[in-house]
Amino acid sequence: AQSVSQHNHHVILSEAASLELGCNYSYGGTVNLFWYVQYPGQHLQLLLKYFSGDPLVKGIKGFEAEFIKSKFSFNLRKPSVQWSDTAEYFCAVKGNSNYQLIWGAGTKLIIKP
Amino acid sequence: DAGVIQSPRHEVTEMGQEVTLRCKPISGHNSLFWYRQTMMRGLELLIYFNNNVPIDDSGMPEDRFSAKMPNASFSTLKIQPSEPRDSAVYFCASSPDMNQPQHFGDGTRLSIL
Repeated sequence: AQSVSQHNHHVILSEAASLELGCNYSYGGTVNLFWYVQYPGQHLQLLLKYFSGDPLVKGIKGFEAEFIKSKFSFNLRKPSVQWSDTAEYFCAVKGNSNYQLIWGAGTKLIIKP
Repeated sequence: DAGVIQSPRHEVTEMGQEVTLRCKPISGHNSLFWYRQTMMRGLELLIYFNNNVPIDDSGMPEDRFSAKMPNASFSTLKIQPSEPRDSAVYFCASSPDMNQPQHFGDGTRLSIL
């Protein structure tokens, strides 16, 4: 079955700490991968996407993610988090030329000032 | 770019009442999605339109839910009659085509008393 697993439901870090949020997927065939962020009370915004090419993808606000095909993973990283990064982060996958996104359950990130 | 516009932002109504949620996609986007977000179930795709035509409504929970897209710039999601378990945040999203990332509206927070 197609699925996306985000390993941690809640992560608490101090400012300036490094961040890595895990995302593993189960999906046959060529995939497109996404990370979205949802700040408190706001809509989902695209952080970054992978379609093809360089598996290390850079997104907005200093975030990056690495697609490791052999591990079916697309982990999100940021070297030094800020208080303003407090939000919920969603990983999503879809098949190439498919419309439906398969969503992870989300990871709530809290940054202590 | 005005973004995806949803109205109302908040709706509180009594069970049994009809609820209509509205969405204006980004101009030029031909794919439109309605999602429901709850704590228990996360993000669920309710219905997908392509070029104003409903392609996949398998996520619509039951016959009380209906969605229309009379033209490229407007869509509605209607619940009639509403029930307390329909309480959730409803998001509309659009994309240039099904292969591109989805852009989300601010959502409608619906409370059915």
